[in-house]
Amino acid sequence: EVQLVESGGGLVQPGRSLRLSCTGSGFMFGDYAMSWIRQAPGKGLEWVGFIRNDGNGVTTEYAASVEGRFTISRDDSKSIAYLQMNSLKTEDTAMYYCVRGAGVTIYYWGQGTLVTVSS
Amino acid sequence: SSELTQDPAVSVALGQTVRITCQGDTLRTYYAGWYQQKPGRAPLLVIYGQNNRPSGIPDRFSGSSSRNTASLTITGAQAEDEADYYCNSRGSSGNQVVFGGGTKLTVL
Repeated sequence: EVQLVESGGGLVQPGRSLRLSCTGSGFMFGDYAMSWIRQAPGKGLEWVGFIRNDGNGVTTEYAASVEGRFTISRDDSKSIAYLQMNSLKTEDTAMYYCVRGAGVTIYYWGQGTLVTVSS
Repeated sequence: SSELTQDPAVSVALGQTVRITCQGDTLRTYYAGWYQQKPGRAPLLVIYGQNNRPSGIPDRFSGSSSRNTASLTITGAQAEDEADYYCNSRGSSGNQVVFGGGTKLTVL
């Protein structure tokens, strides 16, 4: 059974950093791209970015709203994907979901981890 | 603003048919995915590609596409279909992914 478990969320002050982790199990982690999607309280879904391993090495893509502040990385030996969030803003407050894949068809979602940016 | 546009809310009488739409220029090139989200839960994929349902999704859910509009149709809506529905697709850059703003479906 495919499982994705996020961790690392919590309360953080504006301008500070936070790193989220996503641990995958039940599949060959290294064979798949991994993405992060977020949802602000009471709002819609927003794609954050993805990391993909292809024949040319690791590729990442980010939404314009987080480009330059957020970094996605992965450790395939541990089946973990990371979301490093720097210079956090109050508008980054959201539930952050880890999902398998880099595209439009997302079969597997984690349960999410809540990030609250507030002073 | 989102590259994909959805009506904020739609209602349907129990047992009737409802269509939820998603508009955007990228839908002329890429298929949309459709997700159902109930309160406090992660989204659930209900339709992908031309008109494909993941295992376990009832066949009352179907998808279609025309020009710049993708549609999710629920034929014979049930009370348990009341939820928020989101479409997604590739963004204009081709690598990024975009979501519609979501449609809140009420089953009366």
